[in-house]
Amino acid sequence: KAGVTQTPRYLIKTRGQQVTLSCSPISGHRSVSWYQQTPGQGLQFLFEYFSETQRNKGNFPGRFSGRQFSNSRSEMNVSTLELGDSALYLCASSPGQGADEQYFGPGTRLTVT
Amino acid sequence: GQSLEQPSEVTAVEGAIVQMNCTYQTSGFYGLSWYQQHDGGAPTFLSYNALDGLEETGRFSSFLSRSDSYGYLLLQELQMKDSASYFCAVPGGSQGNLIFGKGTKLSVKP
Repeated sequence: KAGVTQTPRYLIKTRGQQVTLSCSPISGHRSVSWYQQTPGQGLQFLFEYFSETQRNKGNFPGRFSGRQFSNSRSEMNVSTLELGDSALYLCASSPGQGADEQYFGPGTRLTVT
Repeated sequence: GQSLEQPSEVTAVEGAIVQMNCTYQTSGFYGLSWYQQHDGGAPTFLSYNALDGLEETGRFSSFLSRSDSYGYLLLQELQMKDSASYFCAVPGGSQGNLIFGKGTKLSVKP
């Protein structure tokens, strides 16, 4: 099976712009989670989707949003980018409804200048 | 809230055994997971313990004690390629989100 894929891999944006990141989970996986990873804060949960429904949301401002499509692919959007949004954004998919075993994509490295 | 504590760095020599600890505080407990992440790479799932005891997968073993809110990851016969960061994580609830520790950076020396 193909692994989790994320596009784009690298992105450079300017403050105030918006960005959309895409994630395709492993075939058959219906749960998709998004995480932000920075050197200072580590891995932080953003949100999780299962069957097109957002089930959980982390402690991030409303500028961060996401959605999941009927084929389980997911997108996340960050509006009004700030310098502090520079991070590695990771998507993970799970075979079940729980978080016991997650498979991560390679991530999107976002740099905000 | 939920939090996990891990030592920030560990150094060991090739061929040795290393144990990386994790203590956690959670409002509910659904299991303890371990992930490996090489520099520039994505986290890779290693193991998951829902019950007390030791789980072994090749050179990797993971232990959990729910009464002590404690777990560890044991790596045997260390190889240079084991140099990476190791994260423990707990589900935030019964559904699909993980709370991660800050990770332990393992350096394996020849």
